[in-house]
Amino acid sequence: DAGVIQSPRHEVTEMGQEVTLRCKPISGHDYLFWYRQTMMRGLELLIYFNNNVPIDDSGMPEDRFSAKMPNASFSTLKIQPSEPRDSAVYFCASSLTGPYNEQFFGPGTRLTVL
Amino acid sequence: KQEVTQIPAALSVPEGENLVLNCSFTDSAIYNLQWFRQDPGKGLTSLLLIQSSQREQTSGRLNASLDKSSGRSTLYIAASQPGDSATYLCAVRVGGTYKYIFGTGTRLKVLA
Repeated sequence: DAGVIQSPRHEVTEMGQEVTLRCKPISGHDYLFWYRQTMMRGLELLIYFNNNVPIDDSGMPEDRFSAKMPNASFSTLKIQPSEPRDSAVYFCASSLTGPYNEQFFGPGTRLTVL
Repeated sequence: KQEVTQIPAALSVPEGENLVLNCSFTDSAIYNLQWFRQDPGKGLTSLLLIQSSQREQTSGRLNASLDKSSGRSTLYIAASQPGDSATYLCAVRVGGTYKYIFGTGTRLKVLA
């Protein structure tokens, strides 16, 4: 298996622009997580899905952030409009249901908003 | 609210030394605890996962223990090597959910 795939790996954009981050989970995994990592706040859970349904989005910072999972093999995290304080590394992770639900992380997308 | 803390924030040791990394959490109502490794500019790699009913897990030179009642976990690394240099993070799964809270991380440097 190729593991969790994220694209793009790097994104540089200007304030006010729309940004879309993409994630392909490991085939067969039914949980998908979006995280944000910054020096100041560490790794924070933004939202997670189970069987394509959002379960907990309490970590989504503002209405400017939205996430979708139209099918079991694809998810997006969108920021509109982007702001410099959104600059961070965004990770996607996936796991299976069950007690031994080890999380597998993608390589991340480094976002820079100028 | 669950809070996860890792001490020390950074650690530098000579090669060959055995070392212990600490993870503390404030709410004992956890489902499991997972240890990760993160190399600079990379994603997280899972090392060990301990269920709340377990006391420890081992993988090669790594041993993780869990004391849920005291809100503590340790990651023991035996015979450290320069290749072990990375940031180590622990994460707890909040009981009754699939929500994970991550610790602040320990940046480890093993000197050759």
